[in-house]
Amino acid sequence: QSVLTQPPSVSAAPGQKVAISCSGTSSNIGNNYVSWYQQLPGTAPKVLIYDNDKRPSGVPDRFSGSKSGTSATLGITGLQSGDEADYYCGTWDTSLSDVAFGGGTKLTVL
Amino acid sequence: EVELVQSGAEVKEAGESLRISCRGSGYTFTNNWIGWVRQMPGKGLQWVGSIDPSDSYPNFSPSFRGRVIISVDKSISSAYLQWSSLKASDTAIYYCVRRHAKSETFDVWGQGTVVTVSS
Repeated sequence: QSVLTQPPSVSAAPGQKVAISCSGTSSNIGNNYVSWYQQLPGTAPKVLIYDNDKRPSGVPDRFSGSKSGTSATLGITGLQSGDEADYYCGTWDTSLSDVAFGGGTKLTVL
Repeated sequence: EVELVQSGAEVKEAGESLRISCRGSGYTFTNNWIGWVRQMPGKGLQWVGSIDPSDSYPNFSPSFRGRVIISVDKSISSAYLQWSSLKASDTAIYYCVRRHAKSETFDVWGQGTVVTVSS
């Protein structure tokens, strides 16, 4: 059982947009920065979004992050087949003194 | 190019000891905490713990404290994750990660080390 809650899967057609949610509490998302990680099949995860809404250099602006209260959202526009991957949210949990990850969301581009 | 390169896959028996490694390059190794993240077969990500290479101060997830040791040798820009007695449940991919200097995010990931423990 993950500390952060994500939908197990989302899907959309190429060119469309999708939003992946991540729900937590005041001890994690509510008072700490959120990161989003993309894990392509058979590869190591990589950071897409950090500090709620910042993109590392090299990450396309099709990817965006936002946070409101105890929830965060990863948005992806102009979906491509290469975006098919597992997406994880992550943050620090102050009460647990632990890094909390969501269970992951599998994105399928139909 | 900033990179974390991990040691190769390991196959062990339950009860054996193991140390896996992670070597950083392309940046000043002591400027960033180094951590480890576990991914069990078909499952999500779990933080194991992290260490400050400048003073070897470790920080562990409560789920892993007492089960593993994290160490570092800053003279060769390397971090280590070790077990004294492996269990079958330790079977997983272990990723070495670099923590961003000004953020809690893991901004660089190693390629992963597959650890297989048979009972």
